[in-house]
Amino acid sequence: KAGVTQTPRYLIKTRGQQVTLSCSPISGHRSVSWYQQTPGQGLQFLFEYFSETQRNKGNFPGRFSGRQFSNSRSEMNVSTLELGDSALYLCASSLAGQGFYEQYFGPGTRLTVT
Amino acid sequence: AQSVTQLDSHVSVSEGTPVLLRCNYSSSYSPSLFWYVQHPNKGLQLLLKYTSAATLVKGINGFEAEFKKSETSFHLTKPSAHMSDAAEYFCVVSFILTGGGNKLTFGTGTQLKVEL
Repeated sequence: KAGVTQTPRYLIKTRGQQVTLSCSPISGHRSVSWYQQTPGQGLQFLFEYFSETQRNKGNFPGRFSGRQFSNSRSEMNVSTLELGDSALYLCASSLAGQGFYEQYFGPGTRLTVT
Repeated sequence: AQSVTQLDSHVSVSEGTPVLLRCNYSSSYSPSLFWYVQHPNKGLQLLLKYTSAATLVKGINGFEAEFKKSETSFHLTKPSAHMSDAAEYFCVVSFILTGGGNKLTFGTGTQLKVEL
């Protein structure tokens, strides 16, 4: 089975611009979660999508948004980019359902804001 | 609230010697715990998971971890380190959100260095 894929792998943007990142989950996985990784804050949960609905959300401003399509692929959008948004953005997919389940991560998108 | 504390930010071992990466957790109910590894410029790979079955959990690449409720610990071990084990390791606690999904809370990571 193919793993979680994320595109693009690297991105350079300017302050004030917006950006869209894409994530394709493992086939059959219905849940997609997004995380931000920075040296200062570590790994932080952004949000989770399940069946095209945002099911859970972390403590990030409204500039961070996402969506999920009927094939479970997900996109994350950041508007009005700030220097502090420079980070590795990781997407993780899982079978979802009830109870605990492991999440499988993609390689990430490295976003640099200048 | 759920949280994890990784007690060492850096650990250095010689190749062929044992590895011990320490993790303590805090959870208001029986947790699900994971260890993930991240190699440079790569995503996170699941090493092993504990979900209230056996307290000694075996993972990939010879790693294992023991869940000790009395000590609220979930330390990661490996009998003999290999150069390829050099990476950053994250202890993770998972809890179920009111929306029905899971949220992973990550420790701050332990950078493992393996020397010849």
